[in-house]
Amino acid sequence: DTEVTQTPKHLVMGMTNKKSLKCEQHMGHRAMYWYKQKAKKPPELMFVYSYEKLSINESVPSRFSPECPNSSLLNLHLHALQPEDSALYLCASSQVRQGLQPQHFGDGTRLSIL
Amino acid sequence: DQQVKQNSPSLSVQEGRISILNCDYTNSMFDYFLWYKKYPAEGPTFLISISSIKDKNEDGRFTVFLNKSAKHLSLHIVPSQPGDSAVYFCAASETQGGSEKLVFGKGTKLTVNP
Repeated sequence: DTEVTQTPKHLVMGMTNKKSLKCEQHMGHRAMYWYKQKAKKPPELMFVYSYEKLSINESVPSRFSPECPNSSLLNLHLHALQPEDSALYLCASSQVRQGLQPQHFGDGTRLSIL
Repeated sequence: DQQVKQNSPSLSVQEGRISILNCDYTNSMFDYFLWYKKYPAEGPTFLISISSIKDKNEDGRFTVFLNKSAKHLSLHIVPSQPGDSAVYFCAASETQGGSEKLVFGKGTKLTVNP
């Protein structure tokens, strides 16, 4: 059982659709992350939120729009995606403290763009 | 340009023997190194970590060794068990703007044969 819950597990959408990916955690973590993982590749960081504020954006195209409405929720809004955006999208969370705070991952949303 | 490299895509060992997974990195600014384990259709699960100021960390059957001068780390699993069969990702952590940023290697698929 993962403590980071991502919905939906699978999503198929057309290039003109607007959809959102959701991530929820109740571990009291104040840092949340979005990663993208293509087949046979490592997860690649997209965004980091710390205390509900965007702290890192790894030059992600604007068709991906993150949102952190509160400390437990993280959304990724999708609009006008391209077929090459098809991937597994992973959410993670961690404590914000001195020293290493391992990130806890959800099981991901597998996104297919038609 | 890959900052974290896992040069062995796969490794097969017999149950009860030692598994050694290797990882190399290029960025001297990484302050922690982590190993994650991933089963199919699940998100990565944190396994063990090591600070850049240490050379060894042990947790039960899992030991991570760090050789800073060689920019090399390894994960030893002994004794290996069939349930250890999974993809193992090496990751390096860098603090950026007060937030942790993880960079992953491509992963090594470990198969432990009964």
